[in-house]
Amino acid sequence: DAGITQSPRYKITETGRQVTLMCHQTWSHSYMFWYRQDLGHGLRLIYYSAAADITDKGEVSDGYVVSRSKTENFPLTLESATRSQTSVYFCASSLRTSGRRQTQYFGPGTRLLVL
Amino acid sequence: SQQGEEDPQALSIQEGENATMNCSYKTSINNLQWYRQNSGRGLVHLILIRSNEREKHSGRLRVTLDTSKKSSSLLITASRAADTASYFCATDAPAGGTSYGKLTFGQGTILTVHP
Repeated sequence: DAGITQSPRYKITETGRQVTLMCHQTWSHSYMFWYRQDLGHGLRLIYYSAAADITDKGEVSDGYVVSRSKTENFPLTLESATRSQTSVYFCASSLRTSGRRQTQYFGPGTRLLVL
Repeated sequence: SQQGEEDPQALSIQEGENATMNCSYKTSINNLQWYRQNSGRGLVHLILIRSNEREKHSGRLRVTLDTSKKSSSLLITASRAADTASYFCATDAPAGGTSYGKLTFGQGTILTVHP
């Protein structure tokens, strides 16, 4: 049972480069989420998706792009990386977004450093 | 601003003692969840309490919810060194609003349990 995986686990890039973080889940969960975690800010929602080809912005979506062509994959792209995007990025999935099945299952995270 | 705010920000106790963490939120909710994050890992769901529930237990965990005060507490009894982690509360939003379907996380309480 692979669950939810993220790749790469660590990434160093330079300002201005495009970076794509991958997220894959094996549960066929409808909902998927991208968060960033920074000291002093907790977890903040970047984007979420209710199903394939349905995505919506979260609290801090500027500078990020997502796609969801397949239910199991939800890649996050930094179009032109900035130093302020240095963070730990978590992908999560859930079966529902209401009731007892709204529990979110998190990947191990990707640590991104933008120089 | 964050929907959930945890208190205290950090808590240090000895093994065997009880640990209590509090969460306050601003708007009405359907459910409140608690998650744990071990250092360098993703978040793991602990327990969910619905707005019409006042108390729930799961093993050594006890969660209370007071919707009139918009607050919740997480009690870990007979703590162990392995309980050392960050603990986050997460709230959802009722149907009809722009935040429906999304969770908002607090900044977390860092719990250290000394052996």
